[in-house]
Amino acid sequence: GAGVSQSPRYKVAKRGQDVALRCDPISGHVSLFWYQQALGQGPEFLTYFQNEAQLDKSGLPSDRFFAERPEGSVSTLKIQRTQQEDSAVYLCASSLMWGVGSPLHFGNGTRLTVT
Amino acid sequence: SQQGEEDPQALSIQEGENATMNCSYKTSINNLQWYRQNSGRGLVHLILIRSNEREKHSGRLRVTLDTSKKSSSLLITASRAADTASYFCSETSGSRLTFGEGTQLTVNP
Repeated sequence: GAGVSQSPRYKVAKRGQDVALRCDPISGHVSLFWYQQALGQGPEFLTYFQNEAQLDKSGLPSDRFFAERPEGSVSTLKIQRTQQEDSAVYLCASSLMWGVGSPLHFGNGTRLTVT
Repeated sequence: SQQGEEDPQALSIQEGENATMNCSYKTSINNLQWYRQNSGRGLVHLILIRSNEREKHSGRLRVTLDTSKKSSSLLITASRAADTASYFCSETSGSRLTFGEGTQLTVNP
């Protein structure tokens, strides 16, 4: 079946521009996560949704970062007024039901480069 | 901040050899998971070991967990060139899954 799909695959933004990154999770997966991965580093947690509810957004680095999942399926991560330090790969992952040991299924990420 | 630290940071072996990667974590865990990431791709789940388990096998993978030392190891037996990837351990703590820095494994044909 289809896995987690992220778009765009690559995004180049000029400093100060707003960007929107999309994640289509596996159908029926209740839990959705966003991670940020710098080059050569492990993924860092950004935020977590259960259905449409954003239960944890403590990893968002600043108020320029905003995530939503209005209908409990597709999610969008928005970054306003992008800065060079926002350059990273943004990974989305979904899980059938977080908390009962079900694994995360990751998309291939969106590589954001801020120039 | 990241929790969980893999050791070594990089490992290079010949095809057919075994590869062992270690992970230390800091918090009390519900379970610990290992993931693999090929260059330019997302992470792929390999195996999950619960806090009340000490060892688990899946194909050529063997994972051990020592909760008294807060450490885990991943053994890949009879490695193949296709095993070349970064390997991450991850702790489940509360509502999040946190990852270490990873071990970059290179298997030379």
